[in-house]
Amino acid sequence: DAGVTQSPTHLIKTRGQQVTLRCSPKSGHDTVSWYQQALGQGPQFIFQYYEEEERQRGNFPDRFSGHQFPNYSSELNVNALLLGDSALYLCASSWGQNTGELFFGEGSRLTVL
Amino acid sequence: AQSVTQLGSHVSVSEGALVLLRCNYSSSVPPYLFWYVQYPNQGLQLLLKYTTGATLVKGINGFEAEFKKSETSFHLTKPSAHMSDAAEYFCAVSRYGNNRLAFGKGNQVVVIP
Repeated sequence: DAGVTQSPTHLIKTRGQQVTLRCSPKSGHDTVSWYQQALGQGPQFIFQYYEEEERQRGNFPDRFSGHQFPNYSSELNVNALLLGDSALYLCASSWGQNTGELFFGEGSRLTVL
Repeated sequence: AQSVTQLGSHVSVSEGALVLLRCNYSSSVPPYLFWYVQYPNQGLQLLLKYTTGATLVKGINGFEAEFKKSETSFHLTKPSAHMSDAAEYFCAVSRYGNNRLAFGKGNQVVVIP
């Protein structure tokens, strides 16, 4: 049974560029959440998708957007990249929106130069 | 808003000794509390969670945590550390168990042979 898979694992972008990160949830899960983990910090909630809609959003600007597809996979898009966007981006899946029991992928490490 | 505080970013413990990681929370509503562990090059994994009911919660790998409302704490313990316990540990809180978790900064545990 495959767990949560994320791609790419590492990527380097320059300021002002745009990036798309992808996530496939654990089999049987229908909800995807995205977190940003800066170096030396705990993960911070970006947003959550359920039934192809953004259901909850953390304190992140509109440059951060996402999408969920009918097969429950998800994308995170970040526009107009800033140096401060350099971080590990974690995708987490669950069965339902209100469990707190999240299964995390290994993350996508984004470096912005 | 919900938040958690974890003091001491790095914790060293001798093999066979008690592991104690402290977590204090702030919540405007009855909290749901979690401990997650992150092993090197792996995604975060749920160790245990507190929702309601019994205040002593047992998790995987011999870990347990006790919810103390009067102290707003949810400290994690393991009686005897093993080399395989070397990892980063995160305490988290959410409202009503939803997936918008607020994480602490984490404790990096080093086990000394």
